[in-house]
Amino acid sequence: KAGVTQTPRYLIKTRGQQVTLSCSPISGHRSVSWYQQTPGQGLQFLFEYFSETQRNKGNFPGRFSGRQFSNSRSEMNVSTLELGDSALYLCASNHMTGANTEAFFGQGTRLTVV
Amino acid sequence: GESVGLHLPTLSVQEGDNSIINCAYSNSASDYFIWYKQESGKGPQFIIDIRSNMDKRQGQRVTVLLNKTVKHLSLQIAATQPGDSAVYFCAENGGQTGANNLFFGTGTRLTVIP
Repeated sequence: KAGVTQTPRYLIKTRGQQVTLSCSPISGHRSVSWYQQTPGQGLQFLFEYFSETQRNKGNFPGRFSGRQFSNSRSEMNVSTLELGDSALYLCASNHMTGANTEAFFGQGTRLTVV
Repeated sequence: GESVGLHLPTLSVQEGDNSIINCAYSNSASDYFIWYKQESGKGPQFIIDIRSNMDKRQGQRVTVLLNKTVKHLSLQIAATQPGDSAVYFCAENGGQTGANNLFFGTGTRLTVIP
C-alpha cells in the first residue's frame, strides 16, 4: 500500500509569487489535512478536506487555500508569497476508525521563499 | 486558542536507559492524544495514541500516560536505542471527534548517547 505522496519535495520561490503543492493520500482515505511546520511556530493546522469539501480551517490568512479532487488528491495554494511562508508543508492522510482518526503524514514539501 | 506545550525542548539519554518525554495541554475538552516521532527530513510518524477515558496505554517499548486532572501527557520509551533519536511531538484534537485537525506541541528533541 503506497504511503502519502507529496510533490514537489523542495521548492524555491520569490516573494510575490504563488505556489501550488500536491498531496496524494493513501488509497481509500478520503480526508486530507494540511499543516505548516516552522522552527518558530511548530506544526500548525492549515485546513482539512473531506470528499472535496473543506471541513475545517486553521488560523491562516486567505492567501492560503486548498482544494480536493474526486480521487481524494489535494492541492494547497499560497498566493503572494512572503518570506515568512518559508516552511515545511505537511499533508496528512486521515484514516477514520470509529471515533478516532489516525493521521499518516507525507514527507512534506520544503518551501523556501527568497 | 489551543495550547499544547512541552516542559523540555531537549533530552539526552544513554542507550539502554528509559526516556520520559512530557507534554502539557490546556484544553480540558481534548479527548484524544497522540505522540508522533519526526526524524530529520521526514514527516511525523505515529507512535501511540490514547483516549481520555484511559490513563495508560502501552505499545512496543512505549507507554503513554495521561493525567487529565493536571492536563499532562507523557511518553515513556523503554531501553532507548540510537534509532529513537528524533523530535517527539504530542498532539491533541481539541475535543473534536476524530483528529482531522490536530494541535501540536513544540516538540522535544531526544538524543540517544551510544
